[in-house]
Amino acid sequence: TQLLEQSPQFLSIQEGENLTVYCNSSSVFSSLQWYRQEPGEGPVLLVTVVTGGEVKKLKRLTFQFGDARKDSSLHITAAQPGDTGLYLCAGGGKLIFGQGTELSVKP
Amino acid sequence: NAGVTQTPKFRILKIGQSMTLQCTQDMNHNYMYWYRQDPGMGLKLIYYSVGAGITDKGEVPNGYNVSRSTTEDFPLRLELAAPSQTSVYFCASSSILSGTQYFGPGTRLLVL
Repeated sequence: TQLLEQSPQFLSIQEGENLTVYCNSSSVFSSLQWYRQEPGEGPVLLVTVVTGGEVKKLKRLTFQFGDARKDSSLHITAAQPGDTGLYLCAGGGKLIFGQGTELSVKP
Repeated sequence: NAGVTQTPKFRILKIGQSMTLQCTQDMNHNYMYWYRQDPGMGLKLIYYSVGAGITDKGEVPNGYNVSRSTTEDFPLRLELAAPSQTSVYFCASSSILSGTQYFGPGTRLLVL
């Protein structure tokens, strides 16, 4: 059974700080996706990484797929209150989700 | 395009009651999914469908049923509601199996 473990589960930081969220598995994934979910809404796709070692940037967000395609990370530079939300990684044919990282950025 | 719509937004059920959660998408996607989301647990796949007339179980199908008579609609049925089914339910659709999933706004269900 494929599992995705995210860490940390909760993160509370001040505006302007940097942070990294990790998504790890013992299984190989052909691709991994990162979603962001705001309270009362469904998740929205941020990015899909498909190649081992791949790095993708979305403004202040940097996503990396591990060389062995078993892990991924999300790095946010100079976090802003608007980054607050639940970040989920997902992968596999029927999309297995990690348990999520709840990020709170305080002004 | 409305995307993925879900009704109702919120519902309270008594133990043993039944109900149907509605999901409709207007993107002509073949693949549709039902997830439940519990605090700190991410999303768990309940059922999915690869096209009209074809459904399959996900990770947590017990206590639920689905049908897919059209491309657009994918209702989820709870036959005998139990407190363990208290959750937020999300419907999603995608054009390919592992592709971008588009989620509805969710249905919050409370079983008392």
